[in-house]
Amino acid sequence: AQSVAQPEDQVNVAEGNPLTVKCTYSVSGNPYLFWYVQYPNRGLQFLLKYITGDNLVKGSYGFEAEFNKSQTSFHLKKPSALVSDSALYFCAVRDIWNRDDKIIFGKGTRLHILP
Amino acid sequence: SAVISQKPSRDICQRGTSLTIQCQVDSQVTMMFWYRQQPGQSLTLIATANQGSEATYESGFVIDKFPISRPNLTFSTLTVSNLSPEDSSIYLCSVSGRTRSEKLFFGSGTQLSVL
Repeated sequence: AQSVAQPEDQVNVAEGNPLTVKCTYSVSGNPYLFWYVQYPNRGLQFLLKYITGDNLVKGSYGFEAEFNKSQTSFHLKKPSALVSDSALYFCAVRDIWNRDDKIIFGKGTRLHILP
Repeated sequence: SAVISQKPSRDICQRGTSLTIQCQVDSQVTMMFWYRQQPGQSLTLIATANQGSEATYESGFVIDKFPISRPNLTFSTLTVSNLSPEDSSIYLCSVSGRTRSEKLFFGSGTQLSVL
């Protein structure tokens, strides 16, 4: 069964500093990996995805993520954090060899950017 | 892309009653997913709804409590039956793009409060 773990409930970063939100996954085959962000009282917004190819993927709002197959990780990064990046971030995985074809979400990491 | 209209956006229900949530998509999609998100928590997959077949439920979710209809390729309903305060949550309809590498598109959600 596929699973995804976000080991940190909350991450605090000073504005202007680089940020990392961690995600590890487990699938039986090859993964499709996604990051979503949820702002207060708003729906889920897609940030970026890894399907194949370059391990470093770039997404919306200056975010990027690095796929590391050996470590089964897909950490979200941004070189310089903004206060407006404060939100709830979800990593998600889809096992492309799983007939159920479902997408599973991590528990979420709350990102606080301190001014 | 897909535009999803989900109704109602919120409701307050009495214990023991039922609520039916509607999800309308502006294009034909094969798979629709229903998620539950409890306050400040992650998204938990309730079931996958395919047109013309029984929905596939995740562990911990049963058809008697969460009956799903999928009469065509653009519409689905989720009913939450015999409501209790523990069912208070946000319920989200979601669809995938044409290919399995596509991101999920989400409805705006239904916020349910059970008194």
